[in-house]
Amino acid sequence: ILNVEQSPQSLHVQEGDSTNFTCSFPSSNFYALHWYRWETAKSPEALFVMTLNGDEKKKGRISATLNTKEGYSYLYIKGSQPEDSATYLCALSPRGGSQGNLIFGKGTKLSVKP
Amino acid sequence: GAGVSQSPSNKVTEKGKDVELRCDPISGHTALYWYRQSLGQGLEFLIYFQGNSAPDKSGLPSDRFSAERTGGSVSTLTIQRTQQEDSAVYLCASSFSLDQPQHFGDGTRLSIL
Repeated sequence: ILNVEQSPQSLHVQEGDSTNFTCSFPSSNFYALHWYRWETAKSPEALFVMTLNGDEKKKGRISATLNTKEGYSYLYIKGSQPEDSATYLCALSPRGGSQGNLIFGKGTKLSVKP
Repeated sequence: GAGVSQSPSNKVTEKGKDVELRCDPISGHTALYWYRQSLGQGLEFLIYFQGNSAPDKSGLPSDRFSAERTGGSVSTLTIQRTQQEDSAVYLCASSFSLDQPQHFGDGTRLSIL
């Protein structure tokens, strides 16, 4: 079973700080890596889907990179705002299983203080 | 509606009863997924449907759990003879295809007394 690790488990930053967190995985043998943002009392929101080594995606102040050779993906938030407070989830669909079977990490909980 | 719709939003039932959870995906999405999140745990895959293909049921935790998707649209997740460990938030998601981002509903919070 592919294990998806996310670190840190939680993170507290001040408004305006830039931050990043990690999703690591033991094998590059997967279809795609997904990032989701889950605010309290809301449903998870898709951020990025990445498939290729070296992929970089950007959405406003949030960006992500994928390094399949070394087994990690970084999510960056530039100039954090209180509305960025959420749990950020990483998920993989491993080859050897079916493409829709996503394995999620436990998430990084980000709190941004005004 | 524009998003994935789940009902009920909350369900409290007694141990041993059967429950049905409903998911109405985004129109045009061929893939539909069910997940659950138990207290203190991450999101756990249960089952997904893709078009007319046989569903991937590999995440269903026991034979008390079943799901169907009628007409390629609405799906129901049924839990028979509920146990306390079935208490969780059950989330449904849909996507255009398996390699596209998933759009989640607000979930059903199931509590088994």
